[in-house]
Amino acid sequence: SQKIEQNSEALNIQEGKTATLTCNYTNYSPAYLQWYRQDPGRGPVFLLLIRENEKEKRKERLKVTFDTTLKQSLFHITASQPADSATYLCALEGPRGTSGTYKYIFGTGTRLKVLA
Amino acid sequence: GAVVSQHPSWVICKSGTSVKIECRSLDFQATTMFWYRQFPKQSLMLMATSNEGSKATYEQGVEKDKFLINHASLTLSTLTVTSAHPEDSSFYICSAYRGRTGELFFGEGSRLTVL
Repeated sequence: SQKIEQNSEALNIQEGKTATLTCNYTNYSPAYLQWYRQDPGRGPVFLLLIRENEKEKRKERLKVTFDTTLKQSLFHITASQPADSATYLCALEGPRGTSGTYKYIFGTGTRLKVLA
Repeated sequence: GAVVSQHPSWVICKSGTSVKIECRSLDFQATTMFWYRQFPKQSLMLMATSNEGSKATYEQGVEKDKFLINHASLTLSTLTVTSAHPEDSSFYICSAYRGRTGELFFGEGSRLTVL
């Protein structure tokens, strides 16, 4: 079955630097992969979606890459700020449910702390 | 982004009572909603897929009689934890699937504490 691996250890970086988070999956390559941000005690917030035929996607200070050969996605935050401190979750489609909708599998997330 | 409203955000109840959590998609019609459970420092665990107008599809190991899901309209899904026990204490999160874009929009979550 599909498994997602994210570094469970917290990532601490200095303000202004680029944070890079890794998401590896073990089985089939999904049609698309998503990244979410989750703050403590809150629901995840959608950030970016990248399709299998896209190598890279950008949104403001965020950049996501998707390498289907390596079975890996990288999530970058440039010019990081203390407000970027949160847990970042990687998600990809799992098997289709009986309704035909894809179910999403989430990684455990990586906690990012940006130090002022 | 789209807005999904979840209510209540936290609830404390006595063991043996039932608790209902509502999930509303405020600005798009969601034929499919998902219910997740999350333990501290763990990932989201999918409990069930809620489809408007039909029975929910539960994941393996999730008791359908314990966690009743109703998706009566395109904008509302409810999760009822029946005869709650302390081990049901958790953070429950719903999400609405926007098929057009493939995005999932999450509610703010509901913290359930069963005494």
